[in-house]
Amino acid sequence: GIQVEQSPPDLILQEGANSTLRCNFSDSVNNLQWFHQNPWGQLINLFYIPSGTKQNGRLSATTVATERYSLLYISSSQTTDSGVYFCAVEVPSGTYKYIFGTGTRLKVLA
Amino acid sequence: DTEVTQTPKHLVMGMTNKKSLKCEQHMGHRAMYWYKQKAKKPPELMFVYSYEKLSINESVPSRFSPECPNSSLLNLHLHALQPEDSALYLCASSHETGGFGTGELFFGEGSRLTVL
Repeated sequence: GIQVEQSPPDLILQEGANSTLRCNFSDSVNNLQWFHQNPWGQLINLFYIPSGTKQNGRLSATTVATERYSLLYISSSQTTDSGVYFCAVEVPSGTYKYIFGTGTRLKVLA
Repeated sequence: DTEVTQTPKHLVMGMTNKKSLKCEQHMGHRAMYWYKQKAKKPPELMFVYSYEKLSINESVPSRFSPECPNSSLLNLHLHALQPEDSALYLCASSHETGGFGTGELFFGEGSRLTVL
C-alpha cells in the first residue's frame, strides 16, 4: 500500500520563526489535505490541496503531485501553532480511503 | 456550517459493557468515516459509509459494529472491548464527487474511550 512519510518528525521553534513541513507519498494521489491536531485531539482543516499552491494568513501549502510531495509553510510562528500536523492522501482516487502521514509534532516556545 | 458532532466526548467502560459512540453531520455529506487514533500515532481508518452503505471495513474486529441509520448519522457500537481498544475515536464526513475523488474531510472533536 501507499506510504505517507512526513518530516521532520519533531520540531521546536522560537516564537516568530518560520518553518517548512514536508509530506512525501509513494503513489499517485487524487486528494491531499493538511490538518493541525490541537492538544485536545481535534483535527482542524488547514488546506485541501491536491495540486498547486494555496495561502491562508501565515500558512501556505504547495503540492507537486507529479513529484509526490507536499509542503506546508508556517511563517511567524505563534505558541498556538503548537500541536501535530498531519497530511492525509486519498488513494486510489474515489475510494474514500484517506491515509494519514506519520505526522510532525511542533512545539513553539514563547 | 462545517460541523461534525460526536457524543460522548469521554467514555469509560468495562470489558463486558455494551456502549455506542454517535456522530452527526448536517452538511449534506454522503460519505461518513470512523477513524481510531492511539496516543502519538496518526489516525487509522476503520470504516467508511457511502450513501448509507458500508463501503470500507479495514479488517476491524467484530467487537466494533458500525451503523448508518440515515445520511446524517453514524454510530459505532462497542461490545466486549479490550483495554488495548482504548483510544480516541474520530468521526468524519465528506462530499462524494461522483468518481472524481472524495471531497474534503471534516472531523468531529472525537470520543476518548477508556476500557478497563
